[in-house]
Amino acid sequence: KAGVTQTPRYLIKTRGQQVTLSCSPISGHRSVSWYQQTPGQGLQFLFEYFSETQRNKGNFPGRFSGRQFSNSRSEMNVSTLELGDSALYLCASSLAFGSEQYFGPGTRLTVT
Amino acid sequence: GQQVMQIPQYQHVQEGEDFTTYCNSSTTLSNIQWYKQRPGGHPVFLIQLVKSGEVKKQKRLTFQFGEAKKNSSLHITATQTTDVGTYFCAGLWGTYKYIFGTGTRLKVLA
Repeated sequence: KAGVTQTPRYLIKTRGQQVTLSCSPISGHRSVSWYQQTPGQGLQFLFEYFSETQRNKGNFPGRFSGRQFSNSRSEMNVSTLELGDSALYLCASSLAFGSEQYFGPGTRLTVT
Repeated sequence: GQQVMQIPQYQHVQEGEDFTTYCNSSTTLSNIQWYKQRPGGHPVFLIQLVKSGEVKKQKRLTFQFGEAKKNSSLHITATQTTDVGTYFCAGLWGTYKYIFGTGTRLKVLA
């Protein structure tokens, strides 16, 4: 079974730009969660999607948004990038929320 | 606010010594998961605990969930160099939201 894939793996953007990150969950997994990982703040929950519906959202500004498609693939978007948005963005899929999460390799975003 | 603290933040041990990391939540958790992240890698699931007072073992690893479901621990017996990495707990907070602990970075000296 293929694992969780994330594209792109690396991104360099400048302040003020926007970015879209993609996550393809394991086949059959319908729950997708997104996390931001930074050295200072650790792993922070962004949002969770199931059947194209956002069921929960973390404490991030409205510049962070996401969506899920009918095939369970998910995207997250960050608009008006700030230097502090530089981080590793991880997505995790699970068969059902509350069961073990399988993480993708992450997208490392650098904002200059 | 929602907090899951882990101690210690760092731990250096000699190979063969034991290691324990503790996870404490400010509120009751529905369940708790443990993950290991190797340097440069992504978190990998280790175990999930659901019941109050639950204890689970995986070879040299022992996981416990507190009676009040607010704390948990991971104990590794006789550490090996392959145990190097950061160990995170993740508590299920309310619905559809996992709060990750701050992590414990383990270094094993050969």
